[in-house]
Amino acid sequence: GAGVSQSPSNKVTEKGKDVELRCDPISGHTALYWYRQSLGQGLEFLIYFQGNSAPDKSGLPSDRFSAERTGGSVSTLTIQRTQQEDSAVYLCASSLILTGVQPQHFGDGTRLSIL
Amino acid sequence: GESVGLHLPTLSVQEGDNSIINCAYSNSASDYFIWYKQESGKGPQFIIDIRSNMDKRQGQRVTVLLNKTVKHLSLQIAATQPGDSAVYFCAENLLGTYKYIFGTGTRLKVLA
Repeated sequence: GAGVSQSPSNKVTEKGKDVELRCDPISGHTALYWYRQSLGQGLEFLIYFQGNSAPDKSGLPSDRFSAERTGGSVSTLTIQRTQQEDSAVYLCASSLILTGVQPQHFGDGTRLSIL
Repeated sequence: GESVGLHLPTLSVQEGDNSIINCAYSNSASDYFIWYKQESGKGPQFIIDIRSNMDKRQGQRVTVLLNKTVKHLSLQIAATQPGDSAVYFCAENLLGTYKYIFGTGTRLKVLA
């Protein structure tokens, strides 16, 4: 498709399990962002990629969170030993370039529920 | 679907009326602004953007106004339709950086 694709759309898992969330950005977009959106909250920045490198990981909530991007395209966000407070919608966005001269385009997110 | 916020400010308008949604942005160094629409269970959808060298930009049924003096952004929707019901939020980008700051959003309800 032409848009940002995220999978799975929904994920329910038990506390303590690891989860992997996938993002396929728009083809040719060099910048990729991960955000978290909780009920009643705005978008919380997690990490961004320029190509395959992630210059700023400061938004990751803890060392249980990690992300990688390969081939300047697909990105995965991994949460280890999930906790109930990790329950949220995880959104991925991509843009043509990193700085604010092109809008970010979002996927529909992965709704993560930790039991 | 997923609700993006249970306690968001809500704007209720009659179908066919015009809507105005406001946003106060935080940083005077921001130079690029975006309005997004988010429907339940969906990701934010780009509506319109504006750069700081402009004070008004129009799209199809939408107009964005930027007042840099008071750091205020507004989105005007003409002839509001039921399909416009969603949460709307603004985003600001700091000049030359990757960082976007998102507002918490306003829920627009269109009454038939």
